[in-house]
Amino acid sequence: SQTIHQWPATLVQPVGSPLSLECTVEGTSNPNLYWYRQAAGRGLQLLFYSVGIGQISSEVPQNLSASRPQDRQFILSSKKLLLSDSGFYLCAWSVGFNEKLFFGSGTQLSVL
Amino acid sequence: AQKVTQAQTEISVVEKEDVTLDCVYETRDTTYYLFWYKQPPSGELVFLIRRNSFDEQNEISGRYSWNFQKSTSSFNFTITASQVVDSAVYFCALSEGSNSGYALNFGKGTSLLVTP
Repeated sequence: SQTIHQWPATLVQPVGSPLSLECTVEGTSNPNLYWYRQAAGRGLQLLFYSVGIGQISSEVPQNLSASRPQDRQFILSSKKLLLSDSGFYLCAWSVGFNEKLFFGSGTQLSVL
Repeated sequence: AQKVTQAQTEISVVEKEDVTLDCVYETRDTTYYLFWYKQPPSGELVFLIRRNSFDEQNEISGRYSWNFQKSTSSFNFTITASQVVDSAVYFCALSEGSNSGYALNFGKGTSLLVTP
């Protein structure tokens, strides 16, 4: 069966520090991968998506970047965090297009 | 422009009441897909339903039912005889053929509180 792992679950980082959130999927090949952010009291905002290794598309200009070094690994990074980067980050995967997304358990990031 | 609108920010009901969560969407595509997800306090999103634009039949799954009406671009979700465990944030989402990676475009969610 397919599973998605996302870590860490919570993270507190000072402003200006770097960030690396990792997501891995097991039990499937060539998934579409997504990073969403949920700010407090708001909906889910698509940040990045990837349809293959090394293929990253950005939806929102921001302080963040994403990489897909392996087929089932998706990494969200930042060189210098801003206060506005605080939020709940969710990784998701799907097989094919217009299919349902399977979400990870999320990372609560607090930038202080 | 917001493609999925969930006008109800918060709803509070007493257990056993029926409750309907509204979802209005906007698209120019003839082929699209609509979804509902549940986000309990734990934070993980739980898939509830996926419906394509060519299937307007209403669907019922236990206490859950969905009313899809293309004429009003709505995909409403009803919980019958609500229970405390239904308390969560519910998201409606749209996936179109023309958008980014066919990713789901979410509404801002409706927070449902069911009290005993």
